Amino acid sequence: EAGVAQSPRYKIIEKRQSVAFWCNPISGHATLYWYQQILGQGPKLLIQFQNNGVVDDSQLPKDRFSAERLKGVDSTLKIQPAKLEDSAVYLCASSWGGPDSPLHFGNGTRLTVT
Amino acid sequence: AQKITQTQPGMFVQEKEAVTLDCTYDTSDQSYGLFWYKQPSSGEMIFLIYQGSYDEQNATEGRYSLNFQKARKSANLVISASQLGDSAMYFCAMREVISGTYKYIFGTGTRLKVLA
Repeated sequence: EAGVAQSPRYKIIEKRQSVAFWCNPISGHATLYWYQQILGQGPKLLIQFQNNGVVDDSQLPKDRFSAERLKGVDSTLKIQPAKLEDSAVYLCASSWGGPDSPLHFGNGTRLTVT
Repeated sequence: AQKITQTQPGMFVQEKEAVTLDCTYDTSDQSYGLFWYKQPSSGEMIFLIYQGSYDEQNATEGRYSLNFQKARKSANLVISASQLGDSAMYFCAMREVISGTYKYIFGTGTRLKVLA
């Protein structure tokens, strides 16, 4: 079974620039999550999709962050414009949705904003 | 209030010894799940073990076991016979049902260093 795919692996941008991250979940996983992990902290949920619908985006800074999952499969997370405090690892995860279903994570994208 | 608390920022253990990583949680739900993840320096999050709130037996997966004490709301991870490759960050997470969907909340993590 192929795992969660994320790209790019690393990204360095200047503040006020834009950036996009891509995620392809495990086949058949209906639920997709984007987490932000700042160095030294645990992952924090940004947005959660169920198929192609948003279930929870309460912690997404909507003035600069956006995400979509148009066909209920892969997803894109965008930041525009980036701020210094957006420097973090962005983790995509998916699950099949059962009560004992763990999150399966991709390798993450390490973003550095200078 | 923190939903998941990991009070040990860092731990050391001698190779081949056992180590316990602490995790306490806070929920008013009757049905929830507890997970442990390992994050090596390479960054990926690796699922280790799961415990459901209704499970009467402590979960075990190879060298990993989960010491689940429901009344105390604790779910400590026990790693037996530590190996050098166990050096990593370890995160405890709780799965709750909020507004009909599953939410996964993570603690701040414990950095484990295994000494040769």
